[in-house]
Amino acid sequence: KAGVTQTPRYLIKTRGQQVTLSCSPISGHRSVSWYQQTPGQGLQFLFEYFSETQRNKGNFPGRFSGRQFSNSRSEMNVSTLELGDSALYLCASSWTGTRIYEQYFGPGTRLTVT
Amino acid sequence: KNEVEQSPQNLTAQEGEFITINCSYSVGISALHWLQQHPGGGIVSLFMLSSGKKKHGRLIATINIQEKHSSLHITASHPRDSAVYICAVGSTDKLIFGTGTRLQVFP
Repeated sequence: KAGVTQTPRYLIKTRGQQVTLSCSPISGHRSVSWYQQTPGQGLQFLFEYFSETQRNKGNFPGRFSGRQFSNSRSEMNVSTLELGDSALYLCASSWTGTRIYEQYFGPGTRLTVT
Repeated sequence: KNEVEQSPQNLTAQEGEFITINCSYSVGISALHWLQQHPGGGIVSLFMLSSGKKKHGRLIATINIQEKHSSLHITASHPRDSAVYICAVGSTDKLIFGTGTRLQVFP
């Protein structure tokens, strides 16, 4: 069974631009969660999608948004990029959610904002 | 105070040593996860616990729900165990992460 895939793996953008990252979960998984990892803040929860609906959201500004498609693939978008958005963005999939099911992480997208 | 605290932050060991990493949390949880992150960023889920103890190869994870504490043990450590180990708790539909323990095992 194929693992979680994320595209692109690396991305360089300039301040003010927007970016879209993609995550394809393991086949059959319906929950996709997104995380941001920075050296200063560590891993932080962005949001979770389940059956095309955002089920939970972390403490991030509205510039961070996401969506999930009917095939469970998910995208996250960051608009008006800031230098502080430079981070590793990870997605994880599970059967139904983060609480009681094992999370399977993708390799991440490393975003650099210059 | 962070909701999930890990100790130690850094750990060095000689090959073959027994290693313990601790995790304490202050929130109600549905499950606790131990994750491993290698250089380059990929994260692998090692264990998910809601009670008791689990073992996989040389890795053992325990959790005490009453004391809100979990431990990850590595027996007969090996240089390939060098990685960052992260404790995460499942709380209200999201994961809350500890800051991680950087482990280096030398031959």
